[in-house]
Amino acid sequence: KNQVEQSPQSLIILEGKNCTLQCNYTVSPFSNLRWYKQDTGRGPVSLTIMTFSENTKSNGRYTATLDADTKQSSLHITASQLSDSASYICVVRDYRDDKIIFGKGTRLHILP
Amino acid sequence: DSGVTQTPKHLITATGQRVTLRCSPRSGDLSVYWYQQSLDQGLQFLIQYYNGEERAKGNILERFSAQQFPDLHSELNLSSLELGDSALYFCASSVGAGLGEEQYFGPGTRLTVT
Repeated sequence: KNQVEQSPQSLIILEGKNCTLQCNYTVSPFSNLRWYKQDTGRGPVSLTIMTFSENTKSNGRYTATLDADTKQSSLHITASQLSDSASYICVVRDYRDDKIIFGKGTRLHILP
Repeated sequence: DSGVTQTPKHLITATGQRVTLRCSPRSGDLSVYWYQQSLDQGLQFLIQYYNGEERAKGNILERFSAQQFPDLHSELNLSSLELGDSALYFCASSVGAGLGEEQYFGPGTRLTVT
């Protein structure tokens, strides 16, 4: 069964620090992998999208990396801000049946 | 603001009742998706409509149904409600029909079943 697993489940860091969130998937072959940011009680917003041939994609202080060989992706947040407090969701698109599989997300808390 | 609107924002109802959630997609988007997000669960895909037709089905219960109207707005009908149906319900839209396209999410409807 195709799965998307995210770790850690939750993370607390101090404002200004960097952090890295992990996404491991078994979906194969896959078309693309997205990272979404979801503020509490709001809808998710797309941060980055990568195809299988891309290794890295940046969006401001957010940098996503992808290793298609090990089926791992990470989202690195630089110089965290209080507004980064949110859930970050990894979503993988299955190439064969064109379905998308959502991870359960990592809940990030930034402390002042 | 994604351009996707959902009403109502909050809904409180009793078990056994029926409710209708409404979604208007972004201008120009033909696909509408419905998702359920419970407290401890990730986003669960329910159903997709594209230009008025059902396009893809996910984990949607038989008690739930949806439709997309000619003006492209969509409604999700939830009937015989149970306590476990309490959740955030999100609508998303995209231009095309592919599930993997970038989807723009609405603000959600929080449903509480008592």
